[in-house]
Amino acid sequence: GDSVTQMEGPVTLSEEAFLTINCTYTATGYPSLFWYVQYPGEGLQLLLKATKADDKGSNKGFEATYRKETTSFHLEKGSVQVSDSAVYFCALSPSSNTGKLIFGQGTTLQVKP
Amino acid sequence: NAGVMQNPRHLVRRRGQEARLRCSPMKGHSHVYWYRQLPEEGLKFMVYLQKENIIDESGMPKERFSAEFPKEGPSILRIQQVVRGDSAAYFCASSPSVETQYFGPGTRLLVL
Repeated sequence: GDSVTQMEGPVTLSEEAFLTINCTYTATGYPSLFWYVQYPGEGLQLLLKATKADDKGSNKGFEATYRKETTSFHLEKGSVQVSDSAVYFCALSPSSNTGKLIFGQGTTLQVKP
Repeated sequence: NAGVMQNPRHLVRRRGQEARLRCSPMKGHSHVYWYRQLPEEGLKFMVYLQKENIIDESGMPKERFSAEFPKEGPSILRIQQVVRGDSAAYFCASSPSVETQYFGPGTRLLVL
C-alpha cells in the first residue's frame, strides 16, 4: 500500500543553519505531496504542497520539490530560526483520491539560539 | 472565517465509558476527515465523511468506533466502551473539496 517514510529525529540545529528533512514515498500513480508543521499542543498547519512531478512548493522560506524519479519530497530551508522548532510531517494524498492523507511518522526539529 | 473547531480539547474517561468528540468544519467545507495520533507517531487516517454520508471508513476500527456528519451540526466521532489503548490525540480536518485539508487543534483523550 501507499506509505511515507521520513528521516528520524530529533534534528537539532543552531539558528541560521541549513535544514534538510528527508521524505520518500511509495505510491501508485501520481499522488499529491504535502508538508505539515505541528507546534506543541496544536493541530497541523499546511506548510507547502506539490501536486505533480517537478513542482516546487514553497512557503515561509521552506521549499520542497516533487521528484518522481527518486520518489522524494525533501524539505529544505536555508536559514532556520528558533521559531521553526516544531514537528514536521510529510504526507501524500493517493491518486485514487478520496482526499485522505497518509502521513510519515514526523520529524522533530529543535533550533537552538 | 473561523478555523476548524474541535471540542472538547481534553477529555478524560474511565475504561468502559463513552467518548464523544465534536468537530465543526470551516464555513463552506463539506468534507470532514478524522485522524488519530498515538504518542510519538504520525497521524493515521480513520474516516472521511461528507454531509450525511460516510465516504471512506477504511481506517476505522471495526468495533466500538463510529462517526457521523449530520445535515445540521458538527461531525461526531464516538468511541464506546473506551480502553486505555484509545488514549490519543484525535484530529479533525475539513476541506471544500478533496484538495487541501485544514486541521483543527485536536482532542486529547486520556483513558484511565
